[in-house]
Amino acid sequence: NAGVMQNPRHLVRRRGQEARLRCSPMKGHSHVYWYRQLPEEGLKFMVYLQKENIIDESGMPKERFSAEFPKEGPSILRIQQVVRGDSAAYFCASSPSAAGSPLHFGNGTRLTVT
Amino acid sequence: KQEVTQIPAALSVPEGENLVLNCSFTDSAIYNLQWFRQDPGKGLTSLLLIQSSQREQTSGRLNASLDKSSGRSTLYIAASQPGDSATYLCAVSFDRGSTLGRLYFGRGTQLTVWP
Repeated sequence: NAGVMQNPRHLVRRRGQEARLRCSPMKGHSHVYWYRQLPEEGLKFMVYLQKENIIDESGMPKERFSAEFPKEGPSILRIQQVVRGDSAAYFCASSPSAAGSPLHFGNGTRLTVT
Repeated sequence: KQEVTQIPAALSVPEGENLVLNCSFTDSAIYNLQWFRQDPGKGLTSLLLIQSSQREQTSGRLNASLDKSSGRSTLYIAASQPGDSATYLCAVSFDRGSTLGRLYFGRGTQLTVWP
């Protein structure tokens, strides 16, 4: 049973470009969370999604960031017009239910904006 | 405000020592607490999950305790080994004013175990 799969592992973008980060949850998991880890900071919640629904996006910047989890395919975190401050490790986690189950994390996508 | 704090920020010990990592949280209304391990450049590995109704959980050389009333959890590592070197993260799911399943993370304790 494969774990949470994130790709790409590393992504380099120039300022102003778009970044697309993909996450395939563990088999049987319908709840997906995105977290961001800025250099020298702890992980911060960004968004919580279920299939075709955004449940909680209170941790996501209002502009340039969006997330989706379609009926088919991986969850996508999209960052438009990236800036240097977006450079961070972005982690995806999944669980089979809303609460009470441990979150399983992927290895992350390390975004570098030049 | 719901916050999670970990001390110490870094810890360096010789192999074989027993050690304790501390985690404190500001709101006692928690749903569960989870300890993770993060290796450099890697993702997070879940070590132990304690539900709010539990006092402790054990897995091998690891033991995690939970005291909701005082807002504290400890991770005890027995007979430490160089392979235990990593950053240990404490994460709390609060049961009030927040989405269940959303975790609040501490900044971690960076552990080095030298041979």
